[in-house]
Amino acid sequence: EVQLVESGGGLVQPGGSLRLSCAASGFIFSSFEMNWVRQAPGKGLEWVSYISSSGSTIYYADSVKGRFTISRDNAKNSLYLQMNSLRAEDTAIYYCARVPRGYYDRSGYYHDEWYFDLWGRGTLVTVSS
Amino acid sequence: EIVLTQSPGTLSLSPGERATLSCRASQSVSSSYLAWYQQKPGQAPRLLISGAASRATGIPDRFSGSGSGTDFTLTISRLEPEDFAVYYCQQYGRSPITFGQGTRLEIK
Repeated sequence: EVQLVESGGGLVQPGGSLRLSCAASGFIFSSFEMNWVRQAPGKGLEWVSYISSSGSTIYYADSVKGRFTISRDNAKNSLYLQMNSLRAEDTAIYYCARVPRGYYDRSGYYHDEWYFDLWGRGTLVTVSS
Repeated sequence: EIVLTQSPGTLSLSPGERATLSCRASQSVSSSYLAWYQQKPGQAPRLLISGAASRATGIPDRFSGSGSGTDFTLTISRLEPEDFAVYYCQQYGRSPITFGQGTRLEIK
């Protein structure tokens, strides 16, 4: 079965750290770009971070830049998010999400479209004293 | 960044009716790189539409997307009971990726 399963969430104090994991199965993980997306309780979706299939290219939202680190281990089919200096506003469900593989059109133009075709069920991070 | 504004905030309709959801962007979305997702309580979002109009695998044909530039629409032609949920649009034409605030589709 094609799936993503997040883990590692929990309750942490402001200023603390947490490491989230996302285990992929049912597809060739090393061929896909991955992201973390979060959702605060009762709120909308917010993109957090992106990592290329090889791990060589990484991007972050301004709200987490300098505090969060995304990484992956293709041998273990796993994606990670190291979260440091956590704040109350980081409280959210964190989803890992897959970007579909890019493709060449008839003109030879390469399309790398960053929408999310597969999501995990999420893991809840609560930052509170 | 591109701000996406969805309207209405809440849409109250009955099964069998037609639903029209709007997503307006603060700047033109290049290449119609606009996606729609459905989210039910306690579940992860599910991809419905990419490229403004392409249905994802397994999505019923009662769901359709249209639009370009700054104005996009998700239409559900005939509502089924399982369609009542929150819907989000997302643009991926320009970094950073951004989402709309969502439209809640509720049973009237």
